[in-house]
Formats: sequence, structure tokens, C-alpha cells
Amino acid sequence: KAGVTQTPRYLIKTRGQQVTLSCSPISGHRSVSWYQQTPGQGLQFLFEYFSETQRNKGNFPGRFSGRQFSNSRSEMNVSTLELGDSALYLCASSYSPGTSGGYNEQFFGPGTRLTVL
Amino acid sequence: KNEVEQSPQNLTAQEGEFITINCSYSVGISALHWLQQHPGGGIVSLFMLSSGKKKHGRLIATINIQEKHSSLHITASHPRDSAVYICAVVSGGGADGLTFGKGTHLIIQP
Repeated sequence: KAGVTQTPRYLIKTRGQQVTLSCSPISGHRSVSWYQQTPGQGLQFLFEYFSETQRNKGNFPGRFSGRQFSNSRSEMNVSTLELGDSALYLCASSYSPGTSGGYNEQFFGPGTRLTVL
Repeated sequence: KNEVEQSPQNLTAQEGEFITINCSYSVGISALHWLQQHPGGGIVSLFMLSSGKKKHGRLIATINIQEKHSSLHITASHPRDSAVYICAVVSGGGADGLTFGKGTHLIIQP
């Protein structure tokens, strides 16, 4: 079974531009979460999607958005890029989102490394 | 919000040594991940546990729910174990996503 795939793997943009990153989950997985990793802040939760709906969002500005398609593939978009958005963006998929009754293990993709100049 | 602390931040050891990495968290959790990240970025989940102990090859993970503490042990360490090891906790069933520790940079010298 193929793992989580992310495209592109590397991206260079300039300040003010916008960017779209893509994530294809493991076949059969319907929940996709996005994370940002920077040297200063480490790994932080961005948002989670399930059944084309955003379930929860981390503490990030509105410039960060995402969506999920009917085939569970997800995209995240960052508008008006800032230098501080340079990071590794990771997505992770799970069979379904966690609830108070239980948690489903997440599996990570290789990440997209975004550099903002 | 759960606070996750890892120690040590950096660890250099000789091949063959027994390695221990610790993780403490502040709020009760549903589960805890131990993750491995090699240079280049990809993250691999080594263990997911909510109680007791798990073993996979030379890796052992334990968790003490009452003390809010988990440890990752590597026996007979090898240079290929050199990586960043990250503890991540799941609170409230995961509705708030994973909360991560800062990671432990491990270098195993031959």
C-alpha cells in the first residue's frame, strides 16, 4: 500500500506570492492533518480535514487555509507569503479523525520544503 | 494546552551504547507517538502507545500514565540510529492535533 505522498517536495517563492501544497493520503484514509516545522518553533499543528470539512485549526493566521476533496486528497494554501513561512510542511493521514473515545494513528508524508526569499 | 518536554536535547554516544530519551507532558493524554526524523525531513512513526511497553527490534518504548512520562530506549545503538527523535502526544482523542516536543538530536559515533 502506497504511503502518504506530498507534492511538490521543494518550492522556492518570493515574499507576497501565494503557494499551494498537495497531499495524497494512504488509500482508505479519510483524515488529513497538516503541520509546519521550523527550526525555532518545531512542529506545530495547522489543521485537520475529514469528509471535506475542516475539523480543527491550530494557532495560525488566516493566510493559511486548506481544503479536502471527495477523494480525501488535501491541499493547503498560504497567501501573501512572509519570510517566516519558510518551513517544512508535513501532512499526515489517518483512517478517521480521533474522538474522545479513541485515537487513530497518523502516518506522515515526506514533506514539502518551502523557502520564501 | 499540553506542554511536552523532552530530554536530553542533544545526545552523542558511541556505537553499542544503551540510549534513553525521555518525554514528559503536563495534561492527560489519549496516546503518545515516538517519531524519528532523518536529515531530509521525512518522519516515521516508531511507536504509538497509550499504556505499558512496546518493543520493536532494538527499540523499546514505555509509558507511565500516572507520572505523565514516557521513555524511548535504543539497545546496541548503531550509527544508522542517528536522527532526531520526537515525542508527540494526543489529547482529547486527537481533536486538537498532535502536540510535539522539541526533539532529541541523537548522534551515534562508530
